[in-house]
Amino acid sequence: DAGVTQSPTHLIKTRGQQVTLRCSPKSGHDTVSWYQQALGQGPQFIFQYYEEEERQRGNFPDRFSGHQFPNYSSELNVNALLLGDSALYLCASTVGIEQFFGPGTRLTVL
Amino acid sequence: AQSVSQHNHHVILSEAASLELGCNYSYGGTVNLFWYVQYPGQHLQLLLKYFSGDPLVKGIKGFEAEFIKSKFSFNLRKPSVQWSDTAEYFCAVNAAGSYIPTFGRGTSLIVHP
Repeated sequence: DAGVTQSPTHLIKTRGQQVTLRCSPKSGHDTVSWYQQALGQGPQFIFQYYEEEERQRGNFPDRFSGHQFPNYSSELNVNALLLGDSALYLCASTVGIEQFFGPGTRLTVL
Repeated sequence: AQSVSQHNHHVILSEAASLELGCNYSYGGTVNLFWYVQYPGQHLQLLLKYFSGDPLVKGIKGFEAEFIKSKFSFNLRKPSVQWSDTAEYFCAVNAAGSYIPTFGRGTSLIVHP
């Protein structure tokens, strides 16, 4: 049984560009959450998707958007990238309130 | 909104030493509590969790944590650490009824062989 998978593993972009990150949840998990983990900090909640709808959102600007597909996989899109968006982006799939994290995508914005 | 404080940002121990990592949260209602670990180069994984019942919770690899409601604390302990315990440790809290945990900033543990 594959765990949570994320792609790509690393990404380098320049300011102003747009990026799309992808996540596939554990088999049987229908809820996906996205987190941003800056260097030296804990993960910060961006948003959660359930049944293809955004169920809850953290304190992130509208530049951060997402999508969930019928197979429960999810995308995180970030527009107009800023230097401060450089971070590890984590995806977690959920059963109940227990979360299972993927390996993350390391985004560097130059 | 709840917040989580991990007061020890960096801890360095020798093998066989005892470990206690502090975690305090600010939220007046019922909470669910978690400790996660991130080994070097690996993804975040659950060490242990508290939902209700016995406030002393045992997790994987010999870790345990005690929920003290009056102190709003959920400290992580291990009687004898190993070199392989070198990792980043995160405390997380979510209010009962919420699906979203709030994480502390983490404690980096280095264990010398």
